[in-house]
Amino acid sequence: QQQVKQSPQSLIVQKGGIPIINCAYENTAFDYFPWYQQFPGKGPALLIAIRPDVSEKKEGRFTISFNKSAKQFSLHIMDSQPGDSATYFCAAERGGSEKLVFGKGTKLTVNP
Amino acid sequence: DVKVTQSSRYLVKRTGEKVFLECVQDMDHENMFWYRQDPGLGLRLIYFSYDVKMKEKGDIPEGYSVSREKKERFSLILESASTNQTSMYLCASSGGGGSNQPQHFGDGTRLSIL
Repeated sequence: QQQVKQSPQSLIVQKGGIPIINCAYENTAFDYFPWYQQFPGKGPALLIAIRPDVSEKKEGRFTISFNKSAKQFSLHIMDSQPGDSATYFCAAERGGSEKLVFGKGTKLTVNP
Repeated sequence: DVKVTQSSRYLVKRTGEKVFLECVQDMDHENMFWYRQDPGLGLRLIYFSYDVKMKEKGDIPEGYSVSREKKERFSLILESASTNQTSMYLCASSGGGGSNQPQHFGDGTRLSIL
């Protein structure tokens, strides 16, 4: 049973484009939604995170949009750069569990 | 900065061997995790430890065990390695003491079972 569904599996954009990665969940007990960024040969690193009491959170060029009623959240990367080329994972945590459930990942390529 | 160190970047073992993967964190974190990462499947939790000598099964514990004798060290053990355990293994730690603590990952051990 896949608890967090992530799409697309891969994404190619031109420099300056705005890639969007989407995630959906079913479990309403989830109350924390982080995004992790992973470069080749490295472990994932926390990029940005949101709680369901806000609909949007922005950090630099990265924005999370959250739709609680639809149980969906998405990552937008503004003015994307070749250095943003990486694999992105969405995740969800059930309140108090301290464990994350990850999506399957999106491989983003930003062409120069 | 938090540092999570996995003892080996690459490891090649034979079917039936007992394999130990070691992980050390330097931030006095309560929680430690072992994941495996496979193409198209994302990160799947194998085991979780929330304190010394305490452990909890994750989503795919079959064929694995863990040991946490000291707070900073968390070991993953493959009792009798099989080819379907060829994968990238990632260790992580988090501060504990409540929800929403970021997990800090090591750079992984790529394990091949021949």
